Amino acid sequence: AQSVAQPEDQVNVAEGNPLTVKCTYSVSGNPYLFWYVQYPNRGLQFLLKYITGDNLVKGSYGFEAEFNKSQTSFHLKKPSALVSDSALYFCAVRDDNTGKLIFGQGTTLQVKP
Amino acid sequence: AAGVIQSPRHLIKEKRETATLKCYPIPRHDTVYWYQQGPGQDPQFLISFYEKMQSDKGSIPDRFSAQQFSDYHSELNMSSLELGDSALYFCASSSGTGVSPLHFGNGTRLTVT
Repeated sequence: AQSVAQPEDQVNVAEGNPLTVKCTYSVSGNPYLFWYVQYPNRGLQFLLKYITGDNLVKGSYGFEAEFNKSQTSFHLKKPSALVSDSALYFCAVRDDNTGKLIFGQGTTLQVKP
Repeated sequence: AAGVIQSPRHLIKEKRETATLKCYPIPRHDTVYWYQQGPGQDPQFLISFYEKMQSDKGSIPDRFSAQQFSDYHSELNMSSLELGDSALYFCASSSGTGVSPLHFGNGTRLTVT
């Protein structure tokens, strides 16, 4: 079965510092991995995806993610955090048969001024 | 760009009542997914449709049913509502079940009293 795990409930960083939100995956076959962000009482917004190719994937709002096959990880990163990046972040894996997304538990990112 | 439209945004119902949630996917998207997100939880997959046929089924109670219509919009029907059905319900759409990302609506917040 496909699954992703986000080991941190919350990540706190200071504005201007780099941030990392961790995600590990467990899949059979090729991993189709995604990151989404959710602001309060809003839907999930797509940030980026890894399907194949370069291990470093660039996405929206300056975010990027690094796919590491040996460590089965897909960590979300940003070189310089903004207060407005504070939100709930979900890693997800896509079921390659039905297309549904299976989400991790979510990580709350708090960026302090 | 057009996004996924969900209605209503908020819905308050009493126990044992019924509710209908509507979802209008992005134009030319043929696949619709329904998710339920409880407070502080990750979105849980309920059901999906591809080209108006049910394509996958998750943890959807028997009291719930859904369908996708000829214009590709979808409705989630919920009967005999329980307090535990209070949650944020998201609809997402995509083009096929391949590697394209799911695009989420802003959700319907259902409160059962």
